[in-house]
Amino acid sequence: QKEVEQNSGPLSVPEGAIASLNCTYSDRVSQSFFWYRQYSGKSPELIMSIYSNGDKEDGRFTAQLNKASQYVSLLIRDSQPSDSATYLCAVKKNSGYALNFGKGTSLLVTP
Amino acid sequence: GAVVSQHPSRVICKSGTSVKIECRSLDFQATTMFWYRQFPKQSLMLMATSNEGSKATYEQGVEKDKFLINHASLTLSTLTVTSAHPEDSSFYICSARKGADTEAFFGQGTRLTVV
Repeated sequence: QKEVEQNSGPLSVPEGAIASLNCTYSDRVSQSFFWYRQYSGKSPELIMSIYSNGDKEDGRFTAQLNKASQYVSLLIRDSQPSDSATYLCAVKKNSGYALNFGKGTSLLVTP
Repeated sequence: GAVVSQHPSRVICKSGTSVKIECRSLDFQATTMFWYRQFPKQSLMLMATSNEGSKATYEQGVEKDKFLINHASLTLSTLTVTSAHPEDSSFYICSARKGADTEAFFGQGTRLTVV
């Protein structure tokens, strides 16, 4: 089992809709979770971090964490074509401070 | 957020030569930096953790004699790909932690092509 798993997609949503991106992780003791957005040929940029169970909202983005289910998700409201990118879920490694990344979910927002 | 600058953004080199990539934290001191590699349509894979003033910690399967990492100051880490081969062609990305925070801020990445 991979440490961080994501559906590779592509996930296609119409402009204005809600995009829902999901991620599961295998290390039960993980405490820090991150969502990054990566445009083609570019390096990842941080969107959200979440550390506690529940929801965390920042503008159009909401991260949701359920440690019991080892599940973290990202909701994007009012999706825009500029949101089209690959979204990477990352979990801090138990030892040290590096991150384990999922393969990413490709999101396509159609006008 | 914090600013991490990585250079060069693109490099093409001949097989057998060495290439050095620099990673700088511009507005903070980074005691720890990380080097990742990303092949097309793959995730970021951690290569090594670079600690200021000490030897880097390499992930399993990463040749430390091939990928030389130096972290001589709190704002600069370098990755040197020695005796590069076409299979080393990849997108190399550095990241840095800002103090006690666990967020990683990424450099712009370096697209290495070995011909």
